[in-house]
Amino acid sequence: ETGVTQSPTHLIKTRGQQVTLRCSSQSGHNTVSWYQQALGQGPQFIFQYYREEENGRGNFPPRFSGLQFPNYSSELNVNALELDDSALYLCASGEGFQETQYFGPGTRLLVL
Amino acid sequence: SQQGEEDPQALSIQEGENATMNCSYKTSINNLQWYRQNSGRGLVHLILIRSNEREKHSGRLRVTLDTSKKSSSLLITASRAADTASYFCATDNTGGFKTIFGAGTRLFVKA
Repeated sequence: ETGVTQSPTHLIKTRGQQVTLRCSSQSGHNTVSWYQQALGQGPQFIFQYYREEENGRGNFPPRFSGLQFPNYSSELNVNALELDDSALYLCASGEGFQETQYFGPGTRLLVL
Repeated sequence: SQQGEEDPQALSIQEGENATMNCSYKTSINNLQWYRQNSGRGLVHLILIRSNEREKHSGRLRVTLDTSKKSSSLLITASRAADTASYFCATDNTGGFKTIFGAGTRLFVKA
């Protein structure tokens, strides 16, 4: 167990809806990153937050947005859901940049 | 597109045998990490090797890094059925803040 938790574990939405996924970082970690992992693929970097500021972003449209809170918990929001958004969403926390990241168990999102 | 490319895509071995997985990448890196993932769950960090290191060991794991060839290998010795999982390499590039994963190697260890 890494100490990183995510909720919910599973979620079913319909196309066009909005979704919020939550992540609680491991104690003492000030960086959180979010990844999308499609079936059979490696995780794709969505964005990273450091001390409540977005610190880097991957190749995802603006309808993917996030927040990091003072207690270093985090949210991933996805608007106008598309079928291709169906995936496992992983958050990972760490101390600072580009070092070991500790992953949560993920939220599996299905868009119908 | 993903930078890391693992090879092979899938590997099936008998318990007790060694498993070797390879990773190639395209740009300069600060470090390279290997992760394990069981059945579509969260990733578990295995080992981090920095760009100025050539080899690291952790228990039954041995990782090598060749920055001139932009490649890394993960060796699991004396494999066990519990090692069955997907293994990913991930790179942290110089000048950037994102970690880039490959598509992974699926390892099956038969008891």
